[in-house]
Amino acid sequence: DVKVTQSSRYLVKRTGEKVFLECVQDMDHENMFWYRQDPGLGLRLIYFSYDVKMKEKGDIPEGYSVSREKKERFSLILESASTNQTSMYLCASSYYGYTFGSGTRLTVV
Amino acid sequence: TQLLEQSPQFLSIQEGENLTVYCNSSSVFSSLQWYRQEPGEGPVLLVTVVTGGEVKKLKRLTFQFGDARKDSSLHITAAQPGDTGLYLCAGAPSSGGYNKLIFGAGTRLAVHP
Repeated sequence: DVKVTQSSRYLVKRTGEKVFLECVQDMDHENMFWYRQDPGLGLRLIYFSYDVKMKEKGDIPEGYSVSREKKERFSLILESASTNQTSMYLCASSYYGYTFGSGTRLTVV
Repeated sequence: TQLLEQSPQFLSIQEGENLTVYCNSSSVFSSLQWYRQEPGEGPVLLVTVVTGGEVKKLKRLTFQFGDARKDSSLHITAAQPGDTGLYLCAGAPSSGGYNKLIFGAGTRLAVHP
């Protein structure tokens, strides 16, 4: 089975900090995604990547950037964390269906 | 912009009851997937339906893709507490492959013993 691992389950960061969320998949998938999930809003796509060093903006990319230097790793970067970025962040990898990581619950104080 | 609307948003039922969750759109999708998400975890893929009118069964869960590939339903027979979770439908746009699935907002199901 494909495994998608997110480096942290819970994070608490201060406003203005630079935050790195890491995601690693073990099945050589080309497509990887970062979503945030908020109550009542569902999953909203932040960025996705279809190959190493390739990325595309999703629906809500403002305040975020991404890095994909190796095929198995897709990082989400919050350049200057703000309280409205408090959320559950989900990474996914796909070939056919999506395989999600367990999520990182980020709180910005 | 393609949207998927799920209904109901919340569902609270007793063990043994039947239920149906709906996923509707005005757009055509090349396929539709259903996921279940338990608290504190990421969504897990349950099924993919591809052909209009297709019906798939997974134990007590029955999934159907509409004839026009614009809607889908999930029916659970004799619900059990283990069915509790957030059910998400996700559509693959007809213009593309499995990139950038479009997700519904989800149906939160609680099954009480």
